[in-house]
Amino acid sequence: GENVGLHLPTLSVQEGDNSIINCAYSNSASDYFIWYKQESGKGPQFIIDIRSNMDKRQGQRVTVLLNKTVKHLSLQIAATQPGDSAVYFCAETLGTGFQKLVFGTGTRLLVSP
Amino acid sequence: EPEVTQTPSHQVTQMGQEVILRCVPISNHLYFYWYRQILGQKVEFLVSFYNNEISEKSEIFDDQFSVERPDGSNFTLKIRSTKLEDSAMYFCASSAHRDRLLAKNIQYFGAGTRLSVL
Repeated sequence: GENVGLHLPTLSVQEGDNSIINCAYSNSASDYFIWYKQESGKGPQFIIDIRSNMDKRQGQRVTVLLNKTVKHLSLQIAATQPGDSAVYFCAETLGTGFQKLVFGTGTRLLVSP
Repeated sequence: EPEVTQTPSHQVTQMGQEVILRCVPISNHLYFYWYRQILGQKVEFLVSFYNNEISEKSEIFDDQFSVERPDGSNFTLKIRSTKLEDSAMYFCASSAHRDRLLAKNIQYFGAGTRLSVL
């Protein structure tokens, strides 16, 4: 896949553990954030989003936290499964209009059975 | 579930040749995008397209690049004279359903076209 063998930060967890993936975003004016999952050989897949007027949003097994003060996002995955193994990217954008996404570097999540 | 489809999955070309990468965005979406991901690097924005014209483009999207929506379903990226450094994975994305209630800037991505320039 696109990210094989790269110098990505890697998080290794055991199946059933909770995972926390962090991201620092760059633009203090960004007001809409999305987490994407990218499996080998596939395009980025939407996981969860959050607007800047919120600091927490929950989905199914996933929670996104936003700290605008330090421009930090995190993705929490509960009860991590082997199928969660992938590279995770945060992306930021201005929520008004449908503007470009600016992607972070990515974190590789490895889940051991 | 609707999805963005891209063809071909892998394109090999000689330096200096023209290539056209094809995408079928999600039906009823209004905004279309191309991104690329060079091996080992971030996903980078190239261009966005709305209402039959470019709405934004990056520095990467120079005169060698063009986009077109030739009909109601396809969205293409043309590279006029490919260079070695154009080798990358190219992703098409679409967003913004016509129904405003569904209109968020969640961009849905295709599986990508791997372009190899030799």
